[in-house]
Amino acid sequence: DADVTQTPRNRITKTGKRIMLECSQTKGHDRMYWYRQDPGLGLRLIYYSFDVKDINKGEISDGYSVSRQAQAKFSLSLESAIPNQTALYFCATQSQTSNQPQHFGDGTRLSIL
Amino acid sequence: RKEVEQDPGPFNVPEGATVAFNCTYSNSASQSFFWYRQDCRKEPKLLMSVYSSGNEDGRFTAQLNRASQYISLLIRDSKLSDSATYLCVVGHNDMRFGAGTRLTVKP
Repeated sequence: DADVTQTPRNRITKTGKRIMLECSQTKGHDRMYWYRQDPGLGLRLIYYSFDVKDINKGEISDGYSVSRQAQAKFSLSLESAIPNQTALYFCATQSQTSNQPQHFGDGTRLSIL
Repeated sequence: RKEVEQDPGPFNVPEGATVAFNCTYSNSASQSFFWYRQDCRKEPKLLMSVYSSGNEDGRFTAQLNRASQYISLLIRDSKLSDSATYLCVVGHNDMRFGAGTRLTVKP
């Protein structure tokens, strides 16, 4: 089983719909992150969390919200999806021990029509 | 100016070649440095951490120059399987990714 699991893997939806992307991990890491990746732009940080109930904005948080109700789960919501939110979304985890790398889920491919 | 900048490439090299990628970062307080590999439409996977003294893992060598704020990755004896996008990652309170350098190794 994957250590970092994202659901769904693919989603196509319409403008204005509310969407939730889920991320769960079995690594026991305190830190979790949500990124989006667009061609030519690399990964951009949306939100991150260092502990349960801890929420921090990243570079591009507008239009997104997150919830961290448990250590193992970090969900990303698009309250009213718009086409420019079409992207590949990655969840990542990281140990709180300093200078540790991040570990990524398989990604969610999201298309907003 | 982006916080982490990489030459996007693409780098097209023959098998057996040596290829080097550089990455510059703007935050002088950055504390952690990594190279990740990403295959098309897949998740990034850690290739290697980068330590102040430089480090090597088989055919891969990473270097850090704090004074000039850049890190490098050297790949020796390139294999077809090395074809991927290589992401430079720099960390302080959070992690910032470069846009990636695309490498294609050809027979």
